[in-house]
Parts: sequence; C-alpha cells; structure tokens
Amino acid sequence: QQQVKQSPQSLIVQKGGISIINCAYENTAFDYFPWYQQFPGKGPALLIAIRPDVSEKKEGRFTISFNKSAKQFSLHIMDSQPGDSATYFCAAGVGGYQKVTFGTGTKLQVIP
Amino acid sequence: EAQVTQNPRYLITVTGKKLTVTCSQNMNHEYMSWYRQDPGLGLRQIYYSMNVEVTDKGDVPEGYKVSRKEKRNFPLILESPSPNQTSLYFCASSPTGGGQPQHFGDGTRLSIL
Repeated sequence: QQQVKQSPQSLIVQKGGISIINCAYENTAFDYFPWYQQFPGKGPALLIAIRPDVSEKKEGRFTISFNKSAKQFSLHIMDSQPGDSATYFCAAGVGGYQKVTFGTGTKLQVIP
Repeated sequence: EAQVTQNPRYLITVTGKKLTVTCSQNMNHEYMSWYRQDPGLGLRQIYYSMNVEVTDKGDVPEGYKVSRKEKRNFPLILESPSPNQTSLYFCASSPTGGGQPQHFGDGTRLSIL
C-alpha cells in the first residue's frame, strides 16, 4: 500500500517556467513533509520541508504548498533553470519518528 | 566535512555469495537507515536504527540483515543475494529520527547475477 502518491513521473519545463510536482498522502498522522532533490550519481539531499501548521513555505525559488483538508502538498519551482534538472522526491513522516515514506519520484528536465 | 560514506560504490556479484555494504557517518547522528531505490518505486526503507544495538525493520527487510555495534557504522548484509536484490542502495543518517532531515550517502549500485 503506497502511502504517498507522487505525480507526474516526469516533467519537461522551459527555462524560466514554473515546475509543479504534486503529492497526496493517506495517513493523517503524518506531520512532516520534506522534499528531496537528487542529481545523477548522488544521494537525495533535503531541499525544503514543511509542517502542517502552515499552508505555504518559501525558500528562494522553491515553494511548498500544503492543503491539510485535501491531504495534498506540492512543490513549485519558480523561474526554473537547467540546473534544477534532477529527480525530486516528496516524503511524509511523523516528526521525530523512525520512518519517512517516500513518493516514487519525479524526473524534471528544464530545457533552455 | 559532514558526510555519509558508503562502500563499495559499485559491485557485481553472483547469486548466493555473501556481501556487506558498509556505511559510516561522521556527524554523531543517532538515527541511521538503509533504502533501496528502484525505477518507478522510489525509495523504500529496508532497515533503520534509532541508536547503538537498536534496529528495526522497514518496509522491505526480506533478505537483508543489519547491525549497529558502533554509533557511526551501520553495515547492510546480504547473506545469500538474489537477482531481485539488484538495486541502488542508499544509507542515510539524521540526528534523532526519520522525521528530521536525513543526510544521504552517494549510493551503492549492486548487480546480482
């Protein structure tokens, strides 16, 4: 049973455009929602994370939008750049708890 | 430099030949975890450890063993590898738990023939 569903599987965006990746979760106990960025040949690295007490968190060009009632959250990359081309994973967990469940990943390609 | 180090980075081996993938972190983190990454399936947790001598199963533990004798090391053991364990493996650590930012190693690509 997949607890975190991520879409789309792949995404091609023009340079300067907005990249949007969506995730939905089922377990209402989740209270920690991180996004990880992974470049080829490297391990995932934390990009940005949100707790459910806020509806939006912004760090530079990256924004997480969170909809608690719909059990959905999304990553928006504004002014997408070729250097943003990577695989992005959403995840969900219970703060301080042992486990985090990852989505299946979105391969983003930003073309010039 | 804070890092999680995995060895080897690449390994091709045969069915049934025991192997160990080592993982070491230099951040004094209590929590360590192993994941496997497969196309279309994302990252799936194999085992995790909350502290020395404390380990527990993740979502896909079958065919794997771990140990945590020292805080910095968390080896992954495949006692009788099979082709369905061909995958990309990642070790990660965090200060207290999976609900905290995890630091990942650069991965180990295993091919079991």
